Amino acid sequence: KAGVTQTPRYLIKTRGQQVTLSCSPISGHRSVSWYQQTPGQGLQFLFEYFSETQRNKGNFPGRFSGRQFSNSRSEMNVSTLELGDSALYLCASSLGGGEDTQYFGPGTRLTVL
Amino acid sequence: QQQVKQSPQSLIVQKGGISIINCAYENTAFDYFPWYQQFPGKGPALLIAIRPDVSEKKEGRFTISFNKSAKQFSLHIMDSQPGDSATYFCAASLPNTGNQFYFGTGTSLTVIP
Repeated sequence: KAGVTQTPRYLIKTRGQQVTLSCSPISGHRSVSWYQQTPGQGLQFLFEYFSETQRNKGNFPGRFSGRQFSNSRSEMNVSTLELGDSALYLCASSLGGGEDTQYFGPGTRLTVL
Repeated sequence: QQQVKQSPQSLIVQKGGISIINCAYENTAFDYFPWYQQFPGKGPALLIAIRPDVSEKKEGRFTISFNKSAKQFSLHIMDSQPGDSATYFCAASLPNTGNQFYFGTGTSLTVIP
């Protein structure tokens, strides 16, 4: 079974631009979560989508948004990029949430110049 | 505000030794505590998890010890091997919050042959 895939793997953007990251979950998984990973803060929860609906949201500004499609694929968008948005963005999928095992993708490394 | 505090930040252990990583939390409503292992260039992978009604859980060389009264839990890696060299994250979640996990800041473990 294919794992969680994220595209692109690397991105370089400049301040003020916007970016869209994509995540394809494991087949059959309906929950997709997004995390921001930085050296100082570790992994911080952004949001979770389940069956095309945002189920949970972390404490991030409105510049961070996401969506999920009917095939469970998810996208995350960051508008008006700031230097502090440079991070590894991880996507994780699971069957339905809660104590279902989350499977993480390799992440998208975003660098904001 | 870090909901889950993890220590140490880095750890060096001789092959065959015991690696111990500690986490502490404040929110007594947390009811699920997983540990994740992350290798360079990869997303985190679930290692072992525990609920607060159990004081210890063992899976192979990995053991979680849970102290509810102290609001602390720890990961013990017995007979540490060079292949265990990775970054380890503890996490916690609240009931009925899907896959919204609060992660510690990570411990970089190096096992010296």
